[in-house]
Amino acid sequence: AQSVTQPDIHITVSEGASLELRCNYSYGATPYLFWYVQSPGQGLQLLLKYFSGDTLVQGIKGFEAEFKRSQSSFNLRKPSVHWSDAAEYFCAVGGTGGFKTIFGAGTRLFVKA
Amino acid sequence: NAGVTQTPKFQVLKTGQSMTLQCAQDMNHNSMYWYRQDPGMGLRLIYYSASEGTTDKGEVPNGYNVSRLNKREFSLRLESAAPSQTSVYFCVTTGEYEQYFGPGTRLTVT
Repeated sequence: AQSVTQPDIHITVSEGASLELRCNYSYGATPYLFWYVQSPGQGLQLLLKYFSGDTLVQGIKGFEAEFKRSQSSFNLRKPSVHWSDAAEYFCAVGGTGGFKTIFGAGTRLFVKA
Repeated sequence: NAGVTQTPKFQVLKTGQSMTLQCAQDMNHNSMYWYRQDPGMGLRLIYYSASEGTTDKGEVPNGYNVSRLNKREFSLRLESAAPSQTSVYFCVTTGEYEQYFGPGTRLTVT
């Protein structure tokens, strides 16, 4: 079955510290992988995506993610977190045409001063 | 270029009432989707439309109906609202790969 697991419901990091949000997926074919961010009261905004090629992908706002096929993972990272990064982050997996993209349950990030 | 728009932004219904959530996109995309978002559940697909004139059930279609009015518009109807339908509803359209979200409709059913 196709699924996306984000093991951490919420994470708290200090401003300036590094961040890693975990994502594991199960998908029958070659996956297209996404990370989205949602600020309170807003829709989801695409941070980055992976389709093929270099397994380390760069996104907006200084985020990056690494695709590891052997571990079925697509973890999101940022070297230095800013207070404005506090939000909820969703990992997603899908195929061509975006049909039935499956979303993880989300990880809420809290940033402390 | 507004992207994806949804109306209303907020709605409170009593159990048994009906309503239609409206969605429109100006991105000229073929596919459109309705998701619901609930705490701890992520986003769950209610219905989708791969192209004008076609609709299909997603993961949680019970209690909902949809209409793909034309290429731009895709509406979601609750015929008899239930408290379990309290949620945030997102209309989404897809380009070749990635998805574009509307701002959402926060619905409360009392």
